[in-house]
Amino acid sequence: NAGVMQNPRHLVRRRGQEARLRCSPMKGHSHVYWYRQLPEEGLKFMVYLQKENIIDESGMPKERFSAEFPKEGPSILRIQQVVRGDSAAYFCASATGTGGLSGANVLTFGAGSRLTVL
Amino acid sequence: GENVEQHPSTLSVQEGDSAVIKCTYSDSASNYFPWYKQELGKGPQLIIDIRSNVGEKKDQRIAVTLNKTAKHFSLHITETQPEDSAVYFCAGSGSARQLTFGSGTQLTVLP
Repeated sequence: NAGVMQNPRHLVRRRGQEARLRCSPMKGHSHVYWYRQLPEEGLKFMVYLQKENIIDESGMPKERFSAEFPKEGPSILRIQQVVRGDSAAYFCASATGTGGLSGANVLTFGAGSRLTVL
Repeated sequence: GENVEQHPSTLSVQEGDSAVIKCTYSDSASNYFPWYKQELGKGPQLIIDIRSNVGEKKDQRIAVTLNKTAKHFSLHITETQPEDSAVYFCAGSGSARQLTFGSGTQLTVLP
């Protein structure tokens, strides 16, 4: 089991360019979450997706950010027209979605994608 | 929504001593409380979790306690070792199926 795979691990973009971050969930996991971590801060929820469906995007900025999880292939977090404030580590986590007895999903995180905007 | 407060932000202990990290949460609907360990340059790794129908859970040197009435939960690490040095995050599930994280505790175990 390869775990949650994220790529690229490091990405450098100039202001105004686009950044695309990819996440392949663990085998058997159909739920994907994206979190953002600013330097020396905690993890902030961005978006929660199932295959072909956005469940909760309450943490994602309304402009320039989008996410998808197609029927085939990895989940993609897309940031258009990046600005310096987008520099952060972006973590993907996956879950089975069964939620256990109390309905909360156990999340397994990837190693993250570190975006630097020059 | 859920709000999780974590203290302290930094903690230094001597090797072999115990470390305790505390978190409080706001949403009474929260029913799942995991703890993650994050080493430098890596993703968070789940080390222990507890659900609201349990008051305490232990796994070797790590234990977590939950007080639902007071809305707080704590991580206890006994017999600390240098490899325990990392950033530790608590989280609460809130009423949605996504986790709200605390701000993290940088634990340093001094040899």
